[in-house]
Amino acid sequence: EAGVVQSPRYKIIEKKQPVAFWCNPISGHNTLYWYLQNLGQGPELLIRYENEEAVDDSQLPKDRFSAERLKGVDSTLKIQPAELGDSAVYLCASSLGQFPYEQYFGPGTRLTVT
Amino acid sequence: EDKVVQSPLSLVVHEGDTVTLNCSYEVTNFRSLLWYKQEKKAPTFLFMLTSSGIEKKSGRLSSILDKKELFSILNITATQTGDSAIYLCAGKVSGTYKYIFGTGTRLKVLA
Repeated sequence: EAGVVQSPRYKIIEKKQPVAFWCNPISGHNTLYWYLQNLGQGPELLIRYENEEAVDDSQLPKDRFSAERLKGVDSTLKIQPAELGDSAVYLCASSLGQFPYEQYFGPGTRLTVT
Repeated sequence: EDKVVQSPLSLVVHEGDTVTLNCSYEVTNFRSLLWYKQEKKAPTFLFMLTSSGIEKKSGRLSSILDKKELFSILNITATQTGDSAIYLCAGKVSGTYKYIFGTGTRLKVLA
């Protein structure tokens, strides 16, 4: 069974540039999460989808961040324009909508904004 | 505000030592607590604990939950250098798929 796929794995951009991250969850997982993880910190939820509906986006900085999951499968997270403080690892995770609920994480995208 | 606090923040031990990692939580409508191991890549799932007092074991790792005192511990016996990682715990909110993560404990095992 393929795991959660994310791309790119690494991205270096200059500040004020746009950037997009892509995630393909495990087949059949209807819940998808985007997390931000700063160095030395635990993952912080940015947005959570149940199928194509964003059910929790309260931590998403909506002035510059956007996300979509149009067909309820893969998802894209975008930042425009990027700021220096956005440098972090962006993790995507997915889970089944039923017990045991554990999340499976992708390898993450490490973003460096210069 | 929901929060999960882990201690210690970092720990250095020698191979063969036993370590105990702590996780305390304040999560509204708490349902379960999960432990993850994070090496250089994404967190990988270790345990999910739902009931108090029932130990879960996997090899040299074990974990237990105390829902009265709102904490969990992760024990690693006979540590090996391959156990070096960040160990994350997360509380799950009942009725949702929302997880609150702690900051993690960075464990380094020296040969």
